[in-house]
Amino acid sequence: DAGVIQSPRHEVTEMGQEVTLRCKPISGHNSLFWYRQTMMRGLELLIYFNNNVPIDDSGMPEDRFSAKMPNASFSTLKIQPSEPRDSAVYFCASSLNAYNEQFFGPGTRLTVL
Amino acid sequence: GQQLNQSPQSMFIQEGEDVSMNCTSSSIFNTWLWYKQDPGEGPVLLIALYKAGELTSNGRLTAQFGITRKDSFLNISASIPSDVGIYFCAGRPRANSGNTPLVFGKGTRLSVIA
Repeated sequence: DAGVIQSPRHEVTEMGQEVTLRCKPISGHNSLFWYRQTMMRGLELLIYFNNNVPIDDSGMPEDRFSAKMPNASFSTLKIQPSEPRDSAVYFCASSLNAYNEQFFGPGTRLTVL
Repeated sequence: GQQLNQSPQSMFIQEGEDVSMNCTSSSIFNTWLWYKQDPGEGPVLLIALYKAGELTSNGRLTAQFGITRKDSFLNISASIPSDVGIYFCAGRPRANSGNTPLVFGKGTRLSVIA
């Protein structure tokens, strides 16, 4: 299995632009998680899905952030408009079910200038 | 929400030394996991623990699920340069049933001096 796939690996954009991060979970996994990692705050859970349905989005910082999972093999995290404080590494992870161990993708390093 | 206290925050050790780090919580957890994150990569699962008192090894790594169910530790024996990275503990709290996601500690940053 290829593991969790994320794209792009790096993204540099200007403040105010829309950013879309993509994730393909491990085939057969029913839960998908989006995390943000910064030096100051560590690893933060933003949102997670079970069977393509968002279960808990309480970690999403504000309305500029949105996530979708249109099918079992694809999810997006969108930031519109982006701000410099959104600069971080964003990880996608998947698991068989929400209470099983999670497998992480390689992350997307986002820099907002 | 649930919080995990992971310590130490960082460690600088000589190659060949043993390493110990731990994770504690004020509430009971059903599962403890230990991950390692290499620079520029995502966290990778090292060891998973499911029962209180469970002691599990993976090569030079040993982890234990505390008897109180509120803590776990990870030991690395005879450290080598490739052990460098950030080690995260994660746990599934017992408090919420059903689809409870994992709670992550803030990580221990390990540096190994050759």
